[in-house]
Amino acid sequence: GAGVSQSPRYKVAKRGQDVALRCDPISGHVSLFWYQQALGQGPEFLTYFQNEAQLDKSGLPSDRFFAERPEGSVSTLKIQRTQQEDSAVYLCASSLAVGGRGDEKLFFGSGTQLSVL
Amino acid sequence: DAKTTQPPSMDCAEGRAANLPCNHSTISGNEYVYWYRQIHSQGPQYIIHGLKNNETNEMASLIITEDRKSSTLILPHATLRDTAVYYCIVRETSGGSYIPTFGRGTSLIVHP
Repeated sequence: GAGVSQSPRYKVAKRGQDVALRCDPISGHVSLFWYQQALGQGPEFLTYFQNEAQLDKSGLPSDRFFAERPEGSVSTLKIQRTQQEDSAVYLCASSLAVGGRGDEKLFFGSGTQLSVL
Repeated sequence: DAKTTQPPSMDCAEGRAANLPCNHSTISGNEYVYWYRQIHSQGPQYIIHGLKNNETNEMASLIITEDRKSSTLILPHATLRDTAVYYCIVRETSGGSYIPTFGRGTSLIVHP
């Protein structure tokens, strides 16, 4: 595709339910980032992949959050036993180059808006 | 924590230049300054980036001070569609990788 695609666009979950959010990065992009954005705030870093390797997961707020990118392309962010405080927009971004360089730009998807009732 | 400081909001008249400041006083020598903007209900969009020289592209100009402790994003002729939240970020290192860290940005309102 032409850009980063995220699905679903909106997700409503009951508290305690598990959810899975999908990210299709731009084809060939090595780096993939997940961010969480609460209302009125900037995006907060969750985790980073270089190909299939998860190199940084320091931003994941709890062990209920899990991300994977098994074949180095599509990534899934899974949240187990959702809580109301998990309500946010979850953004995925990809970049062509390896994250070890500082001069590559990110391409973002439109995000998944998660509402936990 | 974000390594940049931006005013929370600004406004600008349509057709005039919008100058958005950013302080990044702790920036290190190999860290780039990036600007993104986020229009409501969309993901952030890349605008421009630079290391130490001024940069210009079809969207904007980036002026970086000689000591690299601050920069200004310039939208030369703002339009109503430029109303958005503008983020100035530097790439932080984490285990050898550069992680883009966003602050709260500047909410720019362009009015007729």
